[in-house]
Amino acid sequence: DVKVTQSSRYLVKRTGEKVFLECVQDMDHENMFWYRQDPGLGLRLIYFSYDVKMKEKGDIPEGYSVSREKKERFSLILESASTNQTSMYLCASTDGQGTSYPEQYFGPGTRLTVT
Amino acid sequence: KNQVEQSPQSLIILEGKNCTLQCNYTVSPFSNLRWYKQDTGRGPVSLTIMTFSENTKSNGRYTATLDADTKQSSLHITASQLSDSASYICVAEVSNDYKLSFGAGTTVTVRA
Repeated sequence: DVKVTQSSRYLVKRTGEKVFLECVQDMDHENMFWYRQDPGLGLRLIYFSYDVKMKEKGDIPEGYSVSREKKERFSLILESASTNQTSMYLCASTDGQGTSYPEQYFGPGTRLTVT
Repeated sequence: KNQVEQSPQSLIILEGKNCTLQCNYTVSPFSNLRWYKQDTGRGPVSLTIMTFSENTKSNGRYTATLDADTKQSSLHITASQLSDSASYICVAEVSNDYKLSFGAGTTVTVRA
């Protein structure tokens, strides 16, 4: 079974703090994604990565950065947290090799509250 | 702009009853249509994936249909159980692109 884990289920941070959200997958997947999920809205893509040290902006990258130093780990960084970044953050991974319609496997999510 | 609209926003059904959720999408070029189940406080889990050439796909008591001409999909839940209480998310994928367009979801509550 594919397993995608996220470092924290719940996180409370203060405005202006630097926040790190960690995601680890154990299936040697090439592609990893960070989404945020807000009530009444579909999941929105923040950043994704095709390979180690590779990253691409998603639909809402402003205020975020990412790091992928190892294949299994993809980190989301909030350089200076703001209250409008209070949200549920979901990490996902998928195998891009030899698969027509690769399944995206999601982690359990991190509910971040910025006060 | 790629969009996915779901209806209803929420519904309540009695245990053992059936229900159908609707999804309309405008994604181009279209690759496939997915349905995910998301339990409260959890990440989404895939139920079905259908390409443009598939009309229906089942996963246990879940049956998804796809009409690529009208750009509509539905998810039918048969003989609902309390464990079916969750948010069901419709997702459309653009061809040759890993980017997915997510609907806002339909929250289903099954009552005993």
